[in-house]
Amino acid sequence: ETGVTQSPTHLIKTRGQQVTLRCSSQSGHNTVSWYQQALGQGPQFIFQYYREEENGRGNFPPRFSGLQFPNYSSELNVNALELDDSALYLCATLRGAEPTDTQYFGPGTRLTVL
Amino acid sequence: DAKTTQPNSMESNEEEPVHLPCNHSTISGTDYIHWYRQLPSQGPEYVIHGLTSNVNNRMASLAIAEDRKSSTLILHRATLRDAAVYYCILRPHSGGYQKVTFGIGTKLQVIP
Repeated sequence: ETGVTQSPTHLIKTRGQQVTLRCSSQSGHNTVSWYQQALGQGPQFIFQYYREEENGRGNFPPRFSGLQFPNYSSELNVNALELDDSALYLCATLRGAEPTDTQYFGPGTRLTVL
Repeated sequence: DAKTTQPNSMESNEEEPVHLPCNHSTISGTDYIHWYRQLPSQGPEYVIHGLTSNVNNRMASLAIAEDRKSSTLILHRATLRDAAVYYCILRPHSGGYQKVTFGIGTKLQVIP
């Protein structure tokens, strides 16, 4: 158990809809990253938030957006869903920005787009 | 961004040691080597990390080549619970995880 929780655990949406995924941070972890993991692939970095500001983004379009709240919990929003958005979405929290700091991953949200 | 190369899959017998290799020939001098593993239906979990020296913790050992172009994760006695996908990644000294690339990892099968 990492202390990081995600909700919902899984959901089904149709193409063109919008979705919001949620992540609770482990206590004291002010940085959160979101990843997309397609079946059989490794996690792909979407973006990172530090103290409510986005401070890093991977190769994902603007319809992927996020928020981080004062308690360091976070949301991932995806607009205009496409079939290829079907994946496991992971959030990971970090206590700090040192290269020795390790990420604590949540169990993920399985999104299916029909 | 520095990349890593790992075998797609490996097998091990239960209670035998397992050596999981990772090549990272483009590693920079300040990149840390981190290993994570992902058990079925779970998010990845941290295993171990190192910079230059070999490292041991309760889960595993990490052997880093002298030129740092490769490393090996060592599980001293594989158990069925160790069946997972193992990821070797390079964490830059600065810039967070946006410069980190997870490959497809090595799927470890442990045979009873």
